[in-house]
Parts: sequence; structure tokens; C-alpha cells
Amino acid sequence: DSGVTQTPKHLITATGQRVTLRCSPRSGDLSVYWYQQSLDQGLQFLIQYYNGEERAKGNILERFSAQQFPDLHSELNLSSLELGDSALYFCASSLGLGTTNEKLFFGSGTQLSVL
Amino acid sequence: AQKVTQAQTEISVVEKEDVTLDCVYETRDTTYYLFWYKQPPSGELVFLIRRNSFDEQNEISGRYSWNFQKSTSSFNFTITASQVVDSAVYFCALSEPASNAGNMLTFGGGTRLMVKP
Repeated sequence: DSGVTQTPKHLITATGQRVTLRCSPRSGDLSVYWYQQSLDQGLQFLIQYYNGEERAKGNILERFSAQQFPDLHSELNLSSLELGDSALYFCASSLGLGTTNEKLFFGSGTQLSVL
Repeated sequence: AQKVTQAQTEISVVEKEDVTLDCVYETRDTTYYLFWYKQPPSGELVFLIRRNSFDEQNEISGRYSWNFQKSTSSFNFTITASQVVDSAVYFCALSEPASNAGNMLTFGGGTRLMVKP
């Protein structure tokens, strides 16, 4: 058990809808990262938050947004969903910014299916 | 731009065989970190090892060993005496953390290892 909690584990929705994925980092970790794993794109970095502030941005679509709350949990919002958004969404956390030699702890992921 | 290539998409071995998973990376930075993660059938990503660009010492952890060669930009992973429980997808990843920015991992496409009894 990595200590990173993601809910829900599975989500089935329809095209055009909006969903929210939730992540609770390990106790004491200040950074939260979101990754998307899809069959065609593989594992891709989406975005990182550190202590409530956005720190790094990857290939995140404009339809997607994220935030980190004062209690350090994070939410990834996906809107106007398309079939191609079906993927496994991972959250990871680390103690600091990630600029030093620290590893990421990954949650078990949220499997999103857009029908 | 950084890139990680795992040329072997799928490898099948028989239990007790040794197997090496290849990883080649591209980066323009002199400071970077390399990782291996394991994704078992249950789906979670499990950290295996982290290596920084200034440490070229090979590492051994039980049946696992890693060979980092800067000259060929490779960070290969060997499992000795493979077991059925080693069956998983293995990902190699690269990060280039910057002092004023955050950190992001660039993953390879993964190698699916199947160990048959």
C-alpha cells in the first residue's frame, strides 16, 4: 500500500459529461501529480501541484483542470468527455517539489470509461 | 525534449530464466534521474529503483539488478531466476527536475513480462 488514496476506483460515464477524480496524498507529502495511462498514449504526465500551487504542466487538455486544496488532497476535473478520454488516471505524491532525489508514490488509479 | 524507449514490448520466459529489460533514454540535461516501476496485473505502479545521472554504479537488490551506462544512455534491468510473480508490465522513466519548476516523469512504453511456470 503506497499510502496514496484515489477515489473512485472505477467510473463509467457518457460522452459530454463531467467527472471529478479525487486523490489523497501520503501523509506529509506536499506534491501531488496526475498521470494518464491510455492504450495509445501510454503513461503521460498531466500536472503537478505543490502545497496548493501549480508547479508543472504536461500534456493536459484544456477540458481538464485540477486543484489542490488546503488539506492537500487534489481533484482532477474532466469535462466534455470524449471516448478517447477513457484511461487509467493515476495520482502520485512526493514529500517535496520533486527537484531532489525523491521518488513518487502512486495510487491504484481511477479507471475511467467513457461510453 | 526527453524521451524514453523500451524497444521490447513483450517478453515471455520460463520460470528460473534470467531476463533483461532494455531502456534507452534521451535528454539534453546533465542532471537527471532514472526510474523503474512495476505494474502488476492489479494495476498499481510500484517503485523499484531510482538512479541519478552522477551515479553510474550498478545496483543489485535480491534478484533484481540494474546496469546504468551513460555512454550508451541506457538503464537496463535484469531479473535473475525469474518467478511467475514477476509477471507484470515494467516501465522505465526519466525526470529532469528543475529548481524553479516541478518534476515530471517521462515514461517509456513499457515492457510486458510474462513468466511461465
